[in-house]
Amino acid sequence: QQQVKQSPQSLIVQKGGIPIINCAYENTAFDYFPWYQQFPGKGPALLIAIRPDVSEKKEGRFTISFNKSAKQFSLHIMDSQPGDSATYFCAAGSSNTGKLIFGQGTTLQVKP
Amino acid sequence: DTAVSQTPKYLVTQMGNDKSIKCEQNLGHDTMYWYKQDSKKFLKIMFSYNNKELIINETVPNRFSPKSPDKAHLNLHINSLELGDSAVYFCASSRATREETQYFGPGTRLLVL
Repeated sequence: QQQVKQSPQSLIVQKGGIPIINCAYENTAFDYFPWYQQFPGKGPALLIAIRPDVSEKKEGRFTISFNKSAKQFSLHIMDSQPGDSATYFCAAGSSNTGKLIFGQGTTLQVKP
Repeated sequence: DTAVSQTPKYLVTQMGNDKSIKCEQNLGHDTMYWYKQDSKKFLKIMFSYNNKELIINETVPNRFSPKSPDKAHLNLHINSLELGDSAVYFCASSRATREETQYFGPGTRLLVL
């Protein structure tokens, strides 16, 4: 019940494409769903996050879509750029404990 | 100014040794965390402390012992290192336990030979 399943494991798109990364969770106690971006040799950094009371959140070129009934959420990257090449992690957490459960990660490559 | 810093950046050691990793945050945050990222990049929480008090203690071998001398520091001591301990260890902090945004350090790459 504590798992967060993320797919695909890796993704290659052309510059300007719209990569989509999907995550699914089981524990309905989760109330916070962030996405983290990690570049090689660096620590993860928060990209965007959503709470289950909204179905979509957009920040710049990054959009989270959230489906509470299906217990799924996804990250869309509009007009992707080579600089977006990184590993993306979804996570789910409970604001009561601060504990985050991370997905397995998706390595994105954006070709010029 | 570095927000969350870790030392050392790299650590290569022999099996059976004891080693420590240090973490410091200058963000004024109350909560700090240790995560382990394995060779497949899977990121898993190990511990969290809030104001020097242990909040989260995941299923981690007793060989791992965190210590928080003050709320700006959270160190990780590992006894009797094993090959399977090889990983990248990340420290993170957040303003409070109920404050969701976690800020990660640059990681410590541990290799046990």
